[in-house]
Amino acid sequence: GQQLNQSPQSMFIQEGEDVSMNCTSSSIFNTWLWYKQDPGEGPVLLIALYKAGELTSNGRLTAQFGITRKDSFLNISASIPSDVGIYFCAGRKSQGGSEKLVFGKGTKLTVNP
Amino acid sequence: DAGVIQSPRHEVTEMGQEVTLRCKPISGHDYLFWYRQTMMRGLELLIYFNNNVPIDDSGMPEDRFSAKMPNASFSTLKIQPSEPRDSAVYFCASSPRRGQFLSLRADTQYFGPGTRLTVL
Repeated sequence: GQQLNQSPQSMFIQEGEDVSMNCTSSSIFNTWLWYKQDPGEGPVLLIALYKAGELTSNGRLTAQFGITRKDSFLNISASIPSDVGIYFCAGRKSQGGSEKLVFGKGTKLTVNP
Repeated sequence: DAGVIQSPRHEVTEMGQEVTLRCKPISGHDYLFWYRQTMMRGLELLIYFNNNVPIDDSGMPEDRFSAKMPNASFSTLKIQPSEPRDSAVYFCASSPRRGQFLSLRADTQYFGPGTRLTVL
């Protein structure tokens, strides 16, 4: 199936550092979403973006919907140990009368205290 | 609210056996999704339902997979016969009714904890 290109695959950072990850695609999406998944659990929605160019914040998280509608990034400022997990981007598009979410393969974040 | 409930949490079976995964969505949610997650392919949408009706099953890998939603509070994903390559974590998710202008709630999929399936 179709995939989004998410990078980096993994990150090892020190507590307090800022983090940036992004997703790109050759396709246009109507919506970009960012999820976080903790071990043994399902993904949890962090931020949703609905308009090209939109910049949205949720606490220390900031995400943007690319102008071309083919990319998005997520920034985490002043990382803390509980930020550890896998972050997924997802793009939503209408296709053949239905709407689907396509997920990136994730960015695994490790935060060293 | 208990959230999306999936059972079992872990399933180990032998190749050729039938496997049934179960999901109880959040009460009042109109949409139910089944996903599969593997290291190689990431999260893949298998099928989704709206008001108990399958809308898009194009992600179902092959005829060995089937999904049903007999009522608003229960869905099953069945694999028969199972194969080792079916080993993965299977997630169920539900979301509320869509708003008139495709509001945030339409995309707020609430995921269950997943079922880790191992086919030997």
